[in-house]
Amino acid sequence: GAVVSQHPSWVICKSGTSVKIECRSLDFQATTMFWYRQFPKQSLMLMATSNEGSKATYEQGVEKDKFLINHASLTLSTLTVTSAHPEDSSFYICSARIGVSMNTEAFFGQGTRLTVV
Amino acid sequence: GENVEQHPSTLSVQEGDSAVIKCTYSDSASNYFPWYKQELGKRPQLIIDIRSNVGEKKDQRIAVTLNKTAKHFSLHITETQPEDSAVYFCAASVGGSYIPTFGRGTSLIVHP
Repeated sequence: GAVVSQHPSWVICKSGTSVKIECRSLDFQATTMFWYRQFPKQSLMLMATSNEGSKATYEQGVEKDKFLINHASLTLSTLTVTSAHPEDSSFYICSARIGVSMNTEAFFGQGTRLTVV
Repeated sequence: GENVEQHPSTLSVQEGDSAVIKCTYSDSASNYFPWYKQELGKRPQLIIDIRSNVGEKKDQRIAVTLNKTAKHFSLHITETQPEDSAVYFCAASVGGSYIPTFGRGTSLIVHP
């Protein structure tokens, strides 16, 4: 299957600093990528849909100024957690689909464990 | 928007038994229903999916059934093995938006 690579796999940062997470589709072009947040023993909570060349679509309750998403190319989307605080500590995971015009399987990155101290 | 309910949250079975996980969805326009398996510390991976024009799909020990009228779909795992232990997520997505909505997950534990 298709490969989605997410980097870094884990990061520890100080409160108040910003952290950038990258999501790359290695062997296919992804017009749309999704960013999720996953709490321990909980489901995947969709944060935003990242569209190449346009602004991301954020889910209700997700602060767009805090979670900056850039999808500058068909193979790369980035999520920047700005002015991170301990409550932002979580597992962040991206996914991408092949194709645009129909429902298909989503391929997930390996996720990023963010710890804000 | 779409709402997906998943039950049970935890399922414990003996090796060799069958396991069934059930999901319901709210939006009758949903037409794609994938199931993902997430092992501890790893990414979710698709194990089986079904589209709304099909009532049942089977792949070796795994099967999925869909009842569009009742708006529910189920995952069936037969002859469970310890390596089936993981968290399983169902999802539903509406044609047109193609954004999957996930259930809360089921932690399946298969005891040897």
